[in-house]
Amino acid sequence: DGGITQSPKYLFRKEGQNVTLSCEQNLNHDAMYWYRQDPGQGLRLIYYSQIVNDFQKGDIAEGYSVSREKKESFPLTVTSAQKNPTAFYLCASSLGGQGASYEQYFGPGTRLTVT
Amino acid sequence: GQNIDQPTEMTATEGAIVQINCTYQTSGFNGLFWYQQHAGEAPTFLSYNVLDGLEEKGRFSSFLSRSKGYSYLLLKELQMKDSASYLCAVRDHNQGGKLIFGQGTELSVKP
Repeated sequence: DGGITQSPKYLFRKEGQNVTLSCEQNLNHDAMYWYRQDPGQGLRLIYYSQIVNDFQKGDIAEGYSVSREKKESFPLTVTSAQKNPTAFYLCASSLGGQGASYEQYFGPGTRLTVT
Repeated sequence: GQNIDQPTEMTATEGAIVQINCTYQTSGFNGLFWYQQHAGEAPTFLSYNVLDGLEEKGRFSSFLSRSKGYSYLLLKELQMKDSASYLCAVRDHNQGGKLIFGQGTELSVKP
């Protein structure tokens, strides 16, 4: 059945290491998004992509990078340049980025801890 | 710029009705979404409003007034499982259709 998956659910890294979080969807959605969620704060947009081979920075893109080589996949790399990488990362997808009523479907999230 | 405000937390009693408010300021309003998020889990879609008025879906209803920049989510016949965070999000067509999320309202349902 269709859905959006993220792996792993929990990830631990040492400071200074890059780490890549995976996000895969089989919903045939064009648009994909990466959010970061910190305690007591709303979701903040890191990057988004409305079509294959194209992506835009969100509100907090510094220290992150993405790629969109396939429609189904939108991996996020947390680089060593990200000052506070420990957070809950959520990937989402929707039928279209600018559609009138396309809700976003979220993956289960990856909790990244960097020590 | 854009700004979305929701109460940080609310408490209600099982079986009661609770209203969670959301006010927003955005330059290119193009719809408002409500999501439910249980602790440590993904947000799940509850409702969508783009025109003024009330949208009803079972125990949940959502209201929008575009002129006032105001929405509310109404939960009836509260159940313990409704204890969760409720996120208000506004779509802004001046920002490529992105969703801008409020901080969320943590609802605790007591017996």
